[in-house]
Amino acid sequence: GQQVMQIPQYQHVQEGEDFTTYCNSSTTLSNIQWYKQRPGGHPVFLIQLVKSGEVKKQKRLTFQFGEAKKNSSLHITATQTTDVGTYFCAENSMNRDDKIIFGKGTRLHILP
Amino acid sequence: EAQVTQNPRYLITVTGKKLTVTCSQNMNHEYMSWYRQDPGLGLRQIYYSMNVEVTDKGDVPEGYKVSRKEKRNFPLILESPSPNQTSLYFCASSLLGGSGGGGYTFGSGTRLTVV
Repeated sequence: GQQVMQIPQYQHVQEGEDFTTYCNSSTTLSNIQWYKQRPGGHPVFLIQLVKSGEVKKQKRLTFQFGEAKKNSSLHITATQTTDVGTYFCAENSMNRDDKIIFGKGTRLHILP
Repeated sequence: EAQVTQNPRYLITVTGKKLTVTCSQNMNHEYMSWYRQDPGLGLRQIYYSMNVEVTDKGDVPEGYKVSRKEKRNFPLILESPSPNQTSLYFCASSLLGGSGGGGYTFGSGTRLTVV
């Protein structure tokens, strides 16, 4: 079935280093959403991107939507231990109604 | 507080014994969905519902049933659970669904073990 590819699967970074996770789709997307799941927790909605080339920021987090609306990235500047968790993108394709498909996630580990 | 409530949080059951996981939301959301989460496989959609009495299969519907008799409730039914249904289950709701915009609110999860 439809899949959105998310890379990397795992990432270990030293506290204070930057982190980026990428999502790529084979189809043009209506929108893309990002979620964070803390260890032992449930996914929590972070943001939605809709427009081509859109860039949104939430404190140290920067979200980008590609010009062709087929890829997206989440960048965290100067990671902190509170950033630990798994980050998921979730895409809604233009030729699919209301379903969203989740990527497999990037698990972020922070080394103190 | 706006939330999605799932029960139970943990459940251990035996193969073949019917069970229901309840899900309720208090946000008047139209769209509700069930996911299972397994290591290395991410979140996979089981069933979803765009409104009362409207349900549809997701990517992994086999062995599951759902119903949406009221807007707020979306129970997940396992008629005859099998060990391969051991997983972490999440219910989620959204005001308008994927194309309508807005994020999903997830419940706290139900960890099911079938022995």
